[in-house]
Amino acid sequence: EVQMVESGGGLVQPGGSLRLSCAASGFSLSRYSMNWVRQAPGRGLEWVSYISSDSRTMYYADSVKGRFTISQDNAKNSLYLQMNSLRAEDTAMYYCARDLIVVIPAAPNWFDRWGQGTLVTVSS
Amino acid sequence: EIVLTQSPATLSLSPGERATLSCRASQSVSNYLAWYQQKPGQAPRLLIYDASKRATGIPGRFSGSGSGTDFTLTISSLEPEDFAVYYCQQRSSWLTFGEGTKVEIK
Repeated sequence: EVQMVESGGGLVQPGGSLRLSCAASGFSLSRYSMNWVRQAPGRGLEWVSYISSDSRTMYYADSVKGRFTISQDNAKNSLYLQMNSLRAEDTAMYYCARDLIVVIPAAPNWFDRWGQGTLVTVSS
Repeated sequence: EIVLTQSPATLSLSPGERATLSCRASQSVSNYLAWYQQKPGQAPRLLIYDASKRATGIPGRFSGSGSGTDFTLTISSLEPEDFAVYYCQQRSSWLTFGEGTKVEIK
């Protein structure tokens, strides 16, 4: 069974850092491109970051570029999001999401599997 | 950035009724559009991709149509479990989501 479990969220002060993890099971990260998508409380969905299955291509939303870094460890079958210089507007539920298809050139597309999310709260 | 505008914001219907949700793009996205369903406290679920293809396991009462800038998600006969928020998403130019349509029980 395909499953993704996020962890690492919590309360952090503005300017602080957090590292989110997404442990995948039932499929191999080396065969799928992955994403982080966030949702502020009571708001809609916002794509945050993408990593290709071979980890050679990464993309970021303008709102997080230069502050967030996506990575993955195929040996642990886990996806990560290092978040630095956090701001109040980064407060959200963060989901890892798997791409449905492989597109060339590599790019995020449709999200067919999602984790349950991990909540990040940036507040003093 | 391509902006997706969903309408109406809220749709009040009864079980068994037909639901028609709209998503309009600020510029053409060809058929690069998807629809998701999200229930309270849950992650989104992919319903439709490439404008009209049903994702695995999605019931036949869900259908998508449209191309270019105007798209529609139709639920032919609402089941109790269909009352939720629905989002459209495009991947023609980067990736953006609409603001959502809430389908609530009348």
